Amino acid sequence: GAGVSQSPSNKVTEKGKDVELRCDPISGHTALYWYRQSLGQGLEFLIYFQGNSAPDKSGLPSDRFSAERTGGSVSTLTIQRTQQEDSAVYLCASSPGPRGREQFFGPGTRLTVL
Amino acid sequence: AQRVTQPEKLLSVFKGAPVELKCNYSYSGSPELFWYVQYSRQRLQLLLRHISRESIKGFTADLNKGETSFHLKKPFAQEEDSAMYYCALKGDSNYQLIWGAGTKLIIKP
Repeated sequence: GAGVSQSPSNKVTEKGKDVELRCDPISGHTALYWYRQSLGQGLEFLIYFQGNSAPDKSGLPSDRFSAERTGGSVSTLTIQRTQQEDSAVYLCASSPGPRGREQFFGPGTRLTVL
Repeated sequence: AQRVTQPEKLLSVFKGAPVELKCNYSYSGSPELFWYVQYSRQRLQLLLRHISRESIKGFTADLNKGETSFHLKKPFAQEEDSAMYYCALKGDSNYQLIWGAGTKLIIKP
């Protein structure tokens, strides 16, 4: 079976533009996570989905960030009016359920805001 | 407060030498701890978890509740162990892991 996939793998955009990042979790995994990994930093939790609902949005850095999940599967993370400080690798992970211990990660999307 | 501390951003050891990556946690309850690894150009993946009490790729980690530590150890480092290592804690939340900042391990030939 396929693992978690993310697209695009790389995205270069100009400051002020909007971007959409996509995550396809492992089939059947109900829990989905978005993280941000900046150079020299650890993993910054952004948002968690259980099914299509997001019980925890506390990690979203600002109201420019939003995410949705449809059909209990694909998720998109949208960043509006991108800023240079948004440049990072955005990781998506999924796990079998809310009590799933192991998170399975995608390869990430490297976002560069010029 | 729930927190994971990895005090070393970078650790460099020679091939064949012992390696210990430090992880300390702050949590009042009964913790579950994990080590994740990210090799160059590969995705982040689970290395081991304390409840399994397993050895993966020669690495072991023992939970020391008295010292609130979960250090990752390997007696003889290999060049292929060079990677980024993250310690993570499952605390109160059923789903969220608390992550350390990571330690970059470099094994010198």
